[in-house]
Amino acid sequence: KNQVEQSPQSLIILEGKNCTLQCNYTVSPFSNLRWYKQDTGRGPVSLTIMTFSENTKSNGRYTATLDADTKQSSLHITASQLSDSASYICVVSARGGSQGNLIFGKGTKLSVKP
Amino acid sequence: KAGVTQTPRYLIKTRGQQVTLSCSPISGHRSVSWYQQTPGQGLQFLFEYFSETQRNKGNFPGRFSGRQFSNSRSEMNVSTLELGDSALYLCASSLVPPMPPGGELFFGEGSRLTVL
Repeated sequence: KNQVEQSPQSLIILEGKNCTLQCNYTVSPFSNLRWYKQDTGRGPVSLTIMTFSENTKSNGRYTATLDADTKQSSLHITASQLSDSASYICVVSARGGSQGNLIFGKGTKLSVKP
Repeated sequence: KAGVTQTPRYLIKTRGQQVTLSCSPISGHRSVSWYQQTPGQGLQFLFEYFSETQRNKGNFPGRFSGRQFSNSRSEMNVSTLELGDSALYLCASSLVPPMPPGGELFFGEGSRLTVL
């Protein structure tokens, strides 16, 4: 069964600190993996998209890694800011490409405290 | 460039009623998909439309339906509302399906439905 699991479910860190969020998947055949940031009450916004051949991708202070062999991804946030408080959702696409083949994780809720 | 627009943003209904939600995609995007988001289940795929045709449907009962118009705008309808239908309904658009590796979904702000 295609699944995406994220850990931890929630995380509290102090402003300025770094953190790493994890995503493990069992989706096959794999097409790509995306990380989205969702502020409370808003729609998700894309942070990164990685294909099988990419193992690192950065977007400002956000760096995503992908290990296609172990089917794991991580999202590293550097020098966190209060505005980083949000849910981070990992989404894996099975080959075939239509939105019906997107498998969503349940997200990690990050709270950044001053 | 305007983003994905969803209306209404908030609505309250009672059990047994029906509701229609609207989504206007980014100009030039012909693919629209719908998702239900609840605290317990996270995001779940409802259906996807391209050029007025439903291409994929998620595992939801027949009370959930949708359509897409010739201008790519889409609507979804939920009939005979149940308490469990309370959720954030998100619409996303993309250029064309199937999305190539690297293709991107652009989400709207969602419609928050509360069923009493």
